[in-house]
Amino acid sequence: AAGVIQSPRHLIKEKRETATLKCYPIPRHDTVYWYQQGPGQDPQFLISFYEKMQSDKGSIPDRFSAQQFSDYHSELNMSSLELGDSALYFCASSSDRGPIETQYFGPGTRLLVL
Amino acid sequence: SQQGEEDPQALSIQEGENATMNCSYKTSINNLQWYRQNSGRGLVHLILIRSNEREKHSGRLRVTLDTSKKSSSLLITASRAADTASYFCATLLSGSARQLTFGSGTQLTVLP
Repeated sequence: AAGVIQSPRHLIKEKRETATLKCYPIPRHDTVYWYQQGPGQDPQFLISFYEKMQSDKGSIPDRFSAQQFSDYHSELNMSSLELGDSALYFCASSSDRGPIETQYFGPGTRLLVL
Repeated sequence: SQQGEEDPQALSIQEGENATMNCSYKTSINNLQWYRQNSGRGLVHLILIRSNEREKHSGRLRVTLDTSKKSSSLLITASRAADTASYFCATLLSGSARQLTFGSGTQLTVLP
């Protein structure tokens, strides 16, 4: 079965640079979530989109923005990168059509800011 | 503060033993889920228990939920070395919010 795809899998950037992470949800899933997991930390919710509209916002810095496109893929744009942005960034997708909503996570993008 | 807090933070057992991890949360939930994460890898969904359920089984996993105490436990029976990973509980809050709130995780080490 198709899973959530994230690209790139690894990314190295320098301070003050920008980065774009991409997420391709499971086909027919209408909701995408972004989570950030720092080293040794639990995943923290950043932002989510439902049917291409932002639905919930968590601890996402103002330097970050995200959107969901007409094909339901999502991109997380990160500007003015800081050392503390080094983390695993997970995308998850879900569908409201099932009786219970379960989020399916992608493999993550590991971002290292030098 | 975290919605979910887990204990113990780290657990080391011998292969064949059972492992029990606990999770507490603070607000009303729609459901509670357990995830597994191998070091630096992706999150794997293990099991979901709804707020109106008290116990659920899946293979060697047994999850309980006590909404009056706002706590859950994950029991892994007959553990294997391959069960070594971090285990997180995550809650889906009641209401319209759809994001998961994760606990701090338990690092389980199963020694061969």
